[in-house]
Amino acid sequence: AQSVAQPEDQVNVAEGNPLTVKCTYSVSGNPYLFWYVQYPNRGLQFLLKYITGDNLVKGSYGFEAEFNKSQTSFHLKKPSALVSDSALYFCAVRDLHSGNTPLVFGKGTRLSVIA
Amino acid sequence: NAGVTQTPKFQVLKTGQSMTLQCAQDMNHEYMSWYRQDPGMGLRLIHYSVGAGITDQGEVPNGYNVSRSTTEDFPLRLLSAAPSQTSVYFCASRLAGQTTDTQYFGPGTRLTVL
Repeated sequence: AQSVAQPEDQVNVAEGNPLTVKCTYSVSGNPYLFWYVQYPNRGLQFLLKYITGDNLVKGSYGFEAEFNKSQTSFHLKKPSALVSDSALYFCAVRDLHSGNTPLVFGKGTRLSVIA
Repeated sequence: NAGVTQTPKFQVLKTGQSMTLQCAQDMNHEYMSWYRQDPGMGLRLIHYSVGAGITDQGEVPNGYNVSRSTTEDFPLRLLSAAPSQTSVYFCASRLAGQTTDTQYFGPGTRLTVL
């Protein structure tokens, strides 16, 4: 079975500081990993994904994520946070060889960037 | 392309009423799914479909029905609404044949059951 854990319900960071939102996963095969962002009263927007290759994935709005197979982690990062980055962030996983099995989401981490 | 569209945006029901949440996509995506979002619970899958005429249950299917008569549309039906179904509902779609494809979400329907 596939699963995702986001260990922090809330992350607070000062504007201009680096930010990290943590995600760990569990799949039986090779993982296919996503990050999505949800702004207030909006749907989920795709940020970035990891399939294979370079462990550092770059995405939208200056975000990047680092895949670590030994630690089964896919943490979201940004070198310098903006107040506009404040939102709810979801990590998701699918087994790469599982055909049409659904995407499994974590419970979300609320990021608050303080000016 | 309009992407994934959902109607209505807001709905208030009384316990026992029925209604259908509409979802449509214009990207020719075979795979469509319905999620509900509740505080502290993240997104939970209700039902999904890998193509017209094919549907399957997700994590929380009880109280909901779906059908898929066309590639474009995937309505979610509540036959007898209960307060526990108060939630925000999201529809999503992607290409079915490629497991690496990105899943796209609609703007959501906020449902309150009194």
